[in-house]
Amino acid sequence: SQQGEEDPQALSIQEGENATMNCSYKTSINNLQWYRQNSGRGLVHLILIRSNEREKHSGRLRVTLDTSKKSSSLLITASRAADTASYFCATGLIKAAGNKLTFGGGTRVLVKP
Amino acid sequence: KAGVTQTPRYLIKTRGQQVTLSCSPISGHRSVSWYQQTPGQGLQFLFEYFSETQRNKGNFPGRFSGRQFSNSRSEMNVSTLELGDSALYLCASSLGDRATTEAFFGQGTRLTVV
Repeated sequence: SQQGEEDPQALSIQEGENATMNCSYKTSINNLQWYRQNSGRGLVHLILIRSNEREKHSGRLRVTLDTSKKSSSLLITASRAADTASYFCATGLIKAAGNKLTFGGGTRVLVKP
Repeated sequence: KAGVTQTPRYLIKTRGQQVTLSCSPISGHRSVSWYQQTPGQGLQFLFEYFSETQRNKGNFPGRFSGRQFSNSRSEMNVSTLELGDSALYLCASSLGDRATTEAFFGQGTRLTVV
C-alpha cells in the first residue's frame, strides 16, 4: 500500500498563479522528498525536508512539514508553463533500513499560458 | 558530474522472454534502487542494492531480480515476461544511508511487453 496520498490528483491553473498540493503519510519518517516528473520521463528531485524541519524554501518552491498531522505541502509560486508536470511526495521511513522510498500517487499540474 | 544513466531507454519484448536493464549511478553513490511505474499502481519499490548486497526488497515475484557490481553499477532482470510487466522502470542512486539524503533518478527504461 502507498505511504503517501496526494491531494488534489490534478490541478489546472493560469501562468503566474500559485499551485499548492498536499501529501499525507501514515507512519513515522526520516524525511520527506518532493519530485517532479515530466511526461513519463525520470523523476527530478526538488527538495528534501527532514523530520525535524517545519519549512524549507528553494527558489519558487516552499515545502512545509507537519509531523503531528503527518502531512506536507508543496507550494509553487508564480507558476510558469514549464512547471506543467506531475509532482510526487516520497517518504523515507524511520523503521526501514536503506534507501527505500514510498511514493504518493502524485498530483498532475497543468499551467496554462 | 554525470547523472544516473539507464540503458536502454526503450525496449519491446515478447511475452515469455527475459530482459536485462542497466543502471549506472552517480559516481561515489553506493546505493542503487529500482522502481516500477505503471498508470494503475504508480511508483512501486522493487529492490535496493548497497555495496553489492540486496538490502531491501519490495513485493514483486521472484521473476524480478537484480544485482550490483563492485563499481556500483546495477542490473535488473525480469524473466518470463508478462503483459503486466509493461512499465517505466526507474533507477535511483543515493549517497547516504537510511533514506537520509536525496535520491537521484535516471530517465528510466520504457519496457513494452507484447
